Amino acid sequence: EIVLTQSPGTLSVSPGERATLSCRASQSLSGNSLAWYQHKPGQAPRLLIYGASSRATATPDRFSGSGSGTDFTLSISRLEPEDFAVYYCQQYGSSYSFGQGTKLEIK
Amino acid sequence: QVQLVQSGAEVKKPGASVKVSCKASGYPFSGYSMHWVRQAPGHGLEWVGRIKADSGDAEYAESFQGRVTMTGDTSISTAYLELSGLRPDDTAVYYCVREVVVFPAAGGSYPWFYPWGQGTLVTVSS
Repeated sequence: EIVLTQSPGTLSVSPGERATLSCRASQSLSGNSLAWYQHKPGQAPRLLIYGASSRATATPDRFSGSGSGTDFTLSISRLEPEDFAVYYCQQYGSSYSFGQGTKLEIK
Repeated sequence: QVQLVQSGAEVKKPGASVKVSCKASGYPFSGYSMHWVRQAPGHGLEWVGRIKADSGDAEYAESFQGRVTMTGDTSISTAYLELSGLRPDDTAVYYCVREVVVFPAAGGSYPWFYPWGQGTLVTVSS
């Protein structure tokens, strides 16, 4: 079973600044089979990135994903008020699993 | 529209079993896999498992093996999650979510978890 470890647990950033979130897999993900979801209170999680770096439909271009193998990053440039949420990485290369999440909060 | 409607909240004693339902509408039930994901209070999302609605084949996360059973009734477009040997740390909101396999123009495919059910709170307490 692939375990995903996200860091940091909580990230405090000011609006307009850049946020960088990390996700590390316990083993290499075939085909860079990693996605990022955004989760806001009272709403369903929303897919942002698939294949480690491809933006899903309607994902703003300030969101970008990178990485390969076991180390992946979600970057959000020019943070908007609506970007403050919990972010989860998810692997789908070997069964499925989620990371424990990173809470992005307003500084 | 595509919708997943789950059964209501449950309160169970330790050691008991719970069965949560998820009724799908707006799409051909047999054409998609259904996943179950839970979120314990103050914790993140945890993948529980999935069932292929057409075949009934299921796979489960290792941490739930032996305690979980996922089934589906195609005649009423409903998926079920049954969890036995409940413990207090099974207290969580349980979500069903459909998996859509997307084939982007650039090639390959990826799973899109959409939509999500509204969630069912399962409380385990003596």
